[in-house]
Amino acid sequence: GEDVEQSLFLSVREGDSSVINCTYTDSSSTYLYWYKQEPGAGLQLLTYIFSNMDMKQDQRLTVLLNKKDKHLSLRIADTQTGDSAIYFCAEHGSSNTGKLIFGQGTTLQVKP
Amino acid sequence: DAGVTQSPTHLIKTRGQQVTLRCSPKSGHDTVSWYQQALGQGPQFIFQYYEEEERQRGNFPDRFSGHQFPNYSSELNVNALLLGDSALYLCASSATGTSQETQYFGPGTRLLVL
Repeated sequence: GEDVEQSLFLSVREGDSSVINCTYTDSSSTYLYWYKQEPGAGLQLLTYIFSNMDMKQDQRLTVLLNKKDKHLSLRIADTQTGDSAIYFCAEHGSSNTGKLIFGQGTTLQVKP
Repeated sequence: DAGVTQSPTHLIKTRGQQVTLRCSPKSGHDTVSWYQQALGQGPQFIFQYYEEEERQRGNFPDRFSGHQFPNYSSELNVNALLLGDSALYLCASSATGTSQETQYFGPGTRLLVL
């Protein structure tokens, strides 16, 4: 089946690193994505990783992929109050076109 | 370069009514997907349009229908509205044939059914 799971809430202090975790079930997924949603807004694409990669770094963001365990993580370095939002992990369905399958979202709270 | 746009931003309807939501894709994109996001949940895929045809459909009833126009813009129609249809409706556009077909989302239309 197709399912994506995330922990619901994470609270960190400003300046600390945040790590948001995700597990997925579809081993045929080629691309995995992280999106950010601020209150009342749509989804902003943060980054994505191809399934033949273990890691991808983009400025303060680091994505780690453990394909064997079907585990994806997003690390945000030097977390700022502006990073407070809901973060969604998503995988493509088995056809790799069409639908994205999203987790429930992790609410990141950054305390000053 | 305009991103994905959606209209209206907010909408209030009553049970049994019909609603039409609109989406214009990002420049250069030819594929439009629609998602429903209930409060506190992740987005759920409704369907995707490419070349003016529904290419893939999620687990939504026939009350949900759509259309894609020659300029790649799209409409989502929902008939016989139920209270449970209250949600944020998100449109995403992508370019079919690119390596990852990344989907870029619009700001959404918030629908409230009373």
